[in-house]
Amino acid sequence: DAKTTQPNSMESNEEEPVHLPCNHSTISGTDYIHWYRQLPSQGPEYVIHGLTSNVNNRMASLAIAEDRKSSTLILHRATLRDAAVYYCILRNSGNTPLVFGKGTRLSVIA
Amino acid sequence: EAQVTQNPRYLITVTGKKLTVTCSQNMNHEYMSWYRQDPGLGLRQIYYSMNVEVTDKGDVPEGYKVSRKEKRNFPLILESPSPNQTSLYFCASWDSLNEQFFGPGTRLTVL
Repeated sequence: DAKTTQPNSMESNEEEPVHLPCNHSTISGTDYIHWYRQLPSQGPEYVIHGLTSNVNNRMASLAIAEDRKSSTLILHRATLRDAAVYYCILRNSGNTPLVFGKGTRLSVIA
Repeated sequence: EAQVTQNPRYLITVTGKKLTVTCSQNMNHEYMSWYRQDPGLGLRQIYYSMNVEVTDKGDVPEGYKVSRKEKRNFPLILESPSPNQTSLYFCASWDSLNEQFFGPGTRLTVL
């Protein structure tokens, strides 16, 4: 799977939008972009994924650049519960487990 | 409720005493895997399974065994645990390119 680059950490104020960037310049045409997050003392949980078009769900939105070399996870209104490590992962095969990088540690300030 | 369960959640043991961490999923997923998570090293794959009786090594398989005799269960076996296997362990299951579900974790300490 191709590599992704994310900032080590980010900070946000509560109730404000958060944009978490991810660069994946070597992405292939069949790579899906997945986002997971890991809350303190819990297992990772799925957030969202997409291939080419922007995606929305109840948790977040995923904005994918036209050239697909970068993407942004958008939390529309950060809450204290959103403080977690967020992982951006590329995946072109469902036959093997996800490969996690270091992710971005998001802190939310009240 | 769709879930992955692990037992025990916490375990303190001594070097050399065989132990098994169980993992079970109720979603009829074909794929299951084990990860360990250590500070500064992130989540690393230990073993994974593509179906019953089909397993493969991940990145850090040394010192671990797995078995997949039934689709729902994927136990992790430490035949002779050592202190360097002190870690937080996560089991996961998934179905093709869909989301991967993780268990709550097992914190293992080997003295």
